[in-house]
Amino acid sequence: QKEVEQNSGPLSVPEGAIASLNCTYSDRGSQSFFWYRQYSGKSPELIMFIYSNGDKEDGRFTAQLNKASQYVSLLIRDSQPSDSATYLCAVNAGNQFYFGTGTSLTVIP
Amino acid sequence: ETGVTQSPTHLIKTRGQQVTLRCSSQSGHNTVSWYQQALGQGPQFIFQYYREEENGRGNFPPRFSGLQFPNYSSELNVNALELDDSALYLCASSLNSFYNEQFFGPGTRLTVL
Repeated sequence: QKEVEQNSGPLSVPEGAIASLNCTYSDRGSQSFFWYRQYSGKSPELIMFIYSNGDKEDGRFTAQLNKASQYVSLLIRDSQPSDSATYLCAVNAGNQFYFGTGTSLTVIP
Repeated sequence: ETGVTQSPTHLIKTRGQQVTLRCSSQSGHNTVSWYQQALGQGPQFIFQYYREEENGRGNFPPRFSGLQFPNYSSELNVNALELDDSALYLCASSLNSFYNEQFFGPGTRLTVL
């Protein structure tokens, strides 16, 4: 079992729709959770981080964390073609840091 | 732009050689982490340096080693290169270890022939 699992996609949504990206993790001791966006050929760019159960909103992005279910998600509202990228979920567990393999998102104009 | 810089941008080596990659952390950050990202995969954690000490290590063999300097810049050294070492090597800086957000540099693309 991988430490962090994501649906690799591809996920396609029309422009203006809500994109929902999901991630599960295996270590119940995980303490901090991050979403990164990576464009092809570029390095990951931090979008959001969340430490506590519940929702955290930043502009068009909402991160949701449920530690009991070991689940973290990212919602992108009013999706734009510029949001087309791979979205990486990352989890800190002790002195380790784990990334998922990423979900490829395409926003169709 | 995150303020994290890496050098070189690209590198080509042959199997068995040694390589050193360099990273300058963002101003004010005292922690540097290194990652290996193979094509189509997520970054894999190699190790982290916090205030010049190794603070955590992923599942990589000892031929992957590192250093952090008093100015918090860092080096990643890989000995006895293998073909599978071909990847994008990413450096990320943060303030005070894992619990805080990490910001990535542009990466070094290593090709081993």
